[in-house]
Amino acid sequence: RKEVEQDPGPFNVPEGATVAFNCTYSNSASQSFFWYRQDCRKEPKLLMSVYSSGNEDGRFTAQLNRASQYISLLIRDSKLSDSATYLCAVKADAGKSTFGDGTTLTVKP
Amino acid sequence: EAQVTQNPRYLITVTGKKLTVTCSQNMNHEYMSWYRQDPGLGLRQIYYSMNVEVTDKGDVPEGYKVSRKEKRNFPLILESPSPNQTSLYFCASRSNGDGIYGYTFGSGTRLTVV
Repeated sequence: RKEVEQDPGPFNVPEGATVAFNCTYSNSASQSFFWYRQDCRKEPKLLMSVYSSGNEDGRFTAQLNRASQYISLLIRDSKLSDSATYLCAVKADAGKSTFGDGTTLTVKP
Repeated sequence: EAQVTQNPRYLITVTGKKLTVTCSQNMNHEYMSWYRQDPGLGLRQIYYSMNVEVTDKGDVPEGYKVSRKEKRNFPLILESPSPNQTSLYFCASRSNGDGIYGYTFGSGTRLTVV
């Protein structure tokens, strides 16, 4: 079993839809959690850090469930420009960060 | 502009010919790391460095070396590249300070070993 698992998708949604991604992690000692966005053939870019109480940035909401060991990303009112691969990342100790394989989102007109 | 700079962006080389991929950051970050990204395998950590002269293995260190002589630079060395090291490589950095800090990634180096 992978340390960090994501549904690879693809998720195909119409503009304006709400879409949610989940990411599960196996190491209960994990300390920090992140969502990144990666456009085709480009570097990942930090989208959001995920805080214990959940956090929101515009149309994006991130949640952490430590008991069930998953994090989630909710995108409201999807835009065409949201089409990308979304990677979750988990940091269990000071050094190592582990990424999920990513979930591909395509937003269609 | 705060950034991580990798060079080269693209490299085709032959098996066994030593190469170095450079990585430099201008954000005074303590922590730097190298990842490789392969289809179906995601991003896998090769090596990381918590600070100058402190390096440690990630999940896939075989065939790679790193050094951290200065805070801003973290080169990745392939002493004897092989075709299974054909991949997309990313350097990343972040602060070690208090708080939840995500990575800033370089633009990537696409390496082909023939």
